[in-house]
Amino acid sequence: GENVEQHPSTLSVQEGDSAVIKCTYSDSASNYFPWYKQELGKGPQLIIDIRSNVGEKKDQRIAVTLNKTAKHFSLHITETQPEDSAVYFCAARKLTGGGNKLTFGTGTQLKVEL
Amino acid sequence: SAVISQKPSRDICQRGTSLTIQCQVDSQVTMMFWYRQQPGQSLTLIATANQGSEATYESGFVIDKFPISRPNLTFSTLTVSNMSPEDSSIYLCSVAPTVQETQYFGPGTRLLVL
Repeated sequence: GENVEQHPSTLSVQEGDSAVIKCTYSDSASNYFPWYKQELGKGPQLIIDIRSNVGEKKDQRIAVTLNKTAKHFSLHITETQPEDSAVYFCAARKLTGGGNKLTFGTGTQLKVEL
Repeated sequence: SAVISQKPSRDICQRGTSLTIQCQVDSQVTMMFWYRQQPGQSLTLIATANQGSEATYESGFVIDKFPISRPNLTFSTLTVSNMSPEDSSIYLCSVAPTVQETQYFGPGTRLLVL
């Protein structure tokens, strides 16, 4: 089955700096990659996603890049703010077959310091 | 995206007892899932809740321990049976409007077993 690795496990940045979180996946059939943000005491919230027919997607300060050949994808947050502090999870799945099952990475605790 | 609610939001239970968690969505959805998130860990899929039929359990999870109901397209329950302290976790419901669309998560139920 699919295996998703995520790095780093913790990341501390200064407010205004950029943050990058990286994930690798094992199943070349995976073609959909969402990112979730989980704030303390809350459920995961979808923040951005990308399909394998696209190499990059951007939404304001957040962008995701995908390298299908290397089987890795990354989340980029620019101009970080204290409210970006949370745990971020990457995930992977196949859009057809697989029953909509997501395989999650291990999570990255992002702390944005003032 | 769908609005998802879970009840209870948190509970403290005695070992050997059972707790039923409810998940309610404000619109009809094709797919509903139940996850477990142990403290500081990633999300692990327990089962896919199938409307009108038995749930599909992932490896390591059994119906006797985690019975699931899904009487319609907007509601599901997860029961954690004969609880032990190892069952202390966050239990999350997620939904996908269709098989193709992404999953959205509820706020979670925080369970502590003493």
